[in-house]
Amino acid sequence: DVKVTQSSRYLVKRTGEKVFLECVQDMDHENMFWYRQDPGLGLRLIYFSYDVKMKEKGDIPEGYSVSREKKERFSLILESASTNQTSMYLCASSLGQGKAFFGQGTRLTVV
Amino acid sequence: RKEVEQDPGPFNVPEGATVAFNCTYSNSASQSFFWYRQDCRKEPKLLMSVYSSGNEDGRFTAQLNRASQYISLLIRDSKLSDSATYLCVVNPINTGTASKLTFGTGTRLQVTL
Repeated sequence: DVKVTQSSRYLVKRTGEKVFLECVQDMDHENMFWYRQDPGLGLRLIYFSYDVKMKEKGDIPEGYSVSREKKERFSLILESASTNQTSMYLCASSLGQGKAFFGQGTRLTVV
Repeated sequence: RKEVEQDPGPFNVPEGATVAFNCTYSNSASQSFFWYRQDCRKEPKLLMSVYSSGNEDGRFTAQLNRASQYISLLIRDSKLSDSATYLCVVNPINTGTASKLTFGTGTRLQVTL
């Protein structure tokens, strides 16, 4: 079974802090994604990566950056956390064609 | 217009009922389509792909209508365990490379006794 692991289930951070969300997959997938999920808005793509050191902006990249130094790891960085970044963050990996496997999610609260 | 639109529901149905959800998409170039299921406080999981000719997996049937740009999911003989949110997913590229999977906001199903 594919396993996608996110480093934390719950995080509470202060406004202005730099926040790192880590995601690791064990299936040698090329593609990795970061989404946030909010009530009424569904899943929105923040960034994705199709290879090591490659990244592309999704639909809502503002306030976020990413890092993919190794194939199995894709990190999401909030440079200066704000309260409107309180959300559920979901990492996914995929071989392509829409069959994505998700991590369990990180519920981030910025206070 | 949203890229992928779904009725949020909730759809409340009794056990044993048949229920159907539709999802419309705006990008006529979209190549592949999927239904995902998300249980409360859990991550989404792939339920099934949707093929042009329609496809079935047990009690679940998926259909694609390219002319009208919608996909559907039919659940027969609903079980309590089918209660979840069903997410429609559209992928505009049919290659092995990454692409911007676009998710609908989901349709919530509640199956009751």
